[in-house]
Order: sequence, then C-alpha cells, then structure tokens
Amino acid sequence: VLTQPPSVSVAPGKTATVTCGGNNVGSKSMHWYQQKPGQAPVVVIYYDSERPSGIPERFSGANSGNTATLTISRVEAGDEADYYCQVWDSMSDQVTFGGGTKLTVL
Amino acid sequence: QVQLLESGPGLVKSSQTLSLTCTVSGGSISSGYHYWSWIRQPAGKGLEWVGRIYIGGSTNYNPSLKTRVTISVDTSKNQFSLEMNSVTAADTAVYFCARGNAMRGDCLFDSWGQGHLVTVSS
Repeated sequence: VLTQPPSVSVAPGKTATVTCGGNNVGSKSMHWYQQKPGQAPVVVIYYDSERPSGIPERFSGANSGNTATLTISRVEAGDEADYYCQVWDSMSDQVTFGGGTKLTVL
Repeated sequence: QVQLLESGPGLVKSSQTLSLTCTVSGGSISSGYHYWSWIRQPAGKGLEWVGRIYIGGSTNYNPSLKTRVTISVDTSKNQFSLEMNSVTAADTAVYFCARGNAMRGDCLFDSWGQGHLVTVSS
C-alpha cells in the first residue's frame, strides 16, 4: 500500500512537496506520474530521482526509508494536476499505485 | 515514438464480458524489455493496475481481479487485449493500455493510450 495525501495546495512560485509512504519503499524504485483532467498520466520522475527528457528541472524526487517525495520548485499554474506514485514489487510481481494527490495552485 | 490506442465497446451490460483491444503503432509489440499492461480509473478516483503480459506469454494480474481477467497478445496484429467477465457497475471506468518498461528489471509506464471509457449498465 502506498499512501499519499489527498491534496496539496501551494502558491505560485513556491515549493510543493508530495509524499508517498509505504513499508520500506526506499528499497524499491519509485516512479511519479502527472495526470491532468481528461488526459493519460505522464511520467515526471522515474527511478526515484531521474527526470525524463522534456520535464522541467523544477521537478525532483527522492526516496528513502518509508517515504518517497516529489518536489516541485517554483510552482506554476500549469503544474496543477493529480500526481501518482508507483512501484513494482518483484516479490509479488505486482504494480501498486498510490491513491493520488491533487495539487492545487492557489 | 510508440503510440497505443484502445478500442472496444463503450457500454457493457452487467454480468457480461468486457473486451478491449490495444493497438500498438510506431514500434513492435515483440520488442524486448517491455510488458503490456491495462490500468483503469473510475471517475474521480485513482489509478488501478489490472494486469500485464510479456511477449513470451507470461501474465501477472491484480489479485483483486485475477479470477475475472485475461490478458492476451496477438503479435501478428501488434495488439494486446483485455477480457473481464462478470462485470458490475464497479467496473465502470476509463481503461488505459500502457507500455511497461522493464529495462532495469522494474516496471515503468513510459507510454500510455488515451484511455477508453467503459460503462457497465444494468
């Protein structure tokens, strides 16, 4: 089970932090997806902290212990979206998504 | 750039079977290090992984859906499919097909279809 806060609010230009908690998630690779209304998810951080090409440097990630974190610096209105964390459990051959966090830009 | 496109009925009657197909273009479904998955999302809710298939035929399913779901692949058509039987209103959702990249021994969804709404009616 991956636990995310249902919502996070942040003012433009500030830093948003989205957490994803789970038992020993730091031992797994964490991936983060951004989903805007009516669209498919898009990966914004993979393998804990790597950014795909085209994703702004403002997006960063970390993963240690029981918590993974997605950090968005200098938040813009266009960052408003739902964010999901995801892991692959090799022991059970299962994919797990977090419940999602709605990021609101005030 | 690989593209995925879901197709199938948008309306299924309760207790019947939901069937969807995902057509892959811009790349071969037989390429290595890739699993082909179905993920669903009820309206206003989060993502739920349904299951995946590897080109060799091996499958993994969400335990909560395992008894009702079958995923198969047709390499000649560059397609993979989902069948879910005994559907109820709880299966009403947008169904996404996605490519899982397993190059690092993991599963990262790097390409997604646009999503296909399936409504289960009574």
